[in-house]
Amino acid sequence: GQNIDQPTEMTATEGAIVQINCTYQTSGFNGLFWYQQHAGEAPTFLSYNVLDGLEEKGRFSSFLSRSKGYSYLLLKELQMKDSASYLCAVRDSNYQLIWGAGTKLIIKP
Amino acid sequence: IAGITQAPTSQILAAGRRMTLRCTQDMRHNAMYWYRQDLGLGLRLIHYSNTAGTTGKGEVPDGYSVSRANTDDFPLTLASAVPSQTSVYFCASSDGHSGANVLTFGAGSRLTVL
Repeated sequence: GQNIDQPTEMTATEGAIVQINCTYQTSGFNGLFWYQQHAGEAPTFLSYNVLDGLEEKGRFSSFLSRSKGYSYLLLKELQMKDSASYLCAVRDSNYQLIWGAGTKLIIKP
Repeated sequence: IAGITQAPTSQILAAGRRMTLRCTQDMRHNAMYWYRQDLGLGLRLIHYSNTAGTTGKGEVPDGYSVSRANTDDFPLTLASAVPSQTSVYFCASSDGHSGANVLTFGAGSRLTVL
């Protein structure tokens, strides 16, 4: 079966750095996505990786290793507004998105 | 403001009743999707439409139907609601052309079936 694994919950301190990991086992691979979802709101797009390596976008970076079935989202200079759930999703060989259950990130002052 | 509008925002429904969740987008996106989100689970695709006039089944289609009469509207109907359909429902769209094919989501419809 297809599976996306990410930690259920993480806690970090304001101003610090946090890394949220995502491992996947899917039927084929056509890209990996990270979305942010604040409580009670819709998911919003953060990043897209299709090739191995690091994609940097401001305070957020996303890394992909296709051979290891692994990605991480790196958040720097954490702010209270970064408290949210972070969803990892992989597009499989049929171009269907497989979603992880999300990682709830709690930021403490 | 361009985006996706869902209605209703929330609804409490008696089991056995029929319910339609509305979804309208103004971005002229070709593809539209309905997902449900349940605690502890990833988003699960119910139905999708790659273009107006076509629809397809997702991972959890049973008990749901959709139609895509035009580009903008993609309603989701529960013919006879059951308690297991209690969930938050998200409509999403994408232009279907770019490599990333990023999804834009509506604000969600919270449905409780009693």
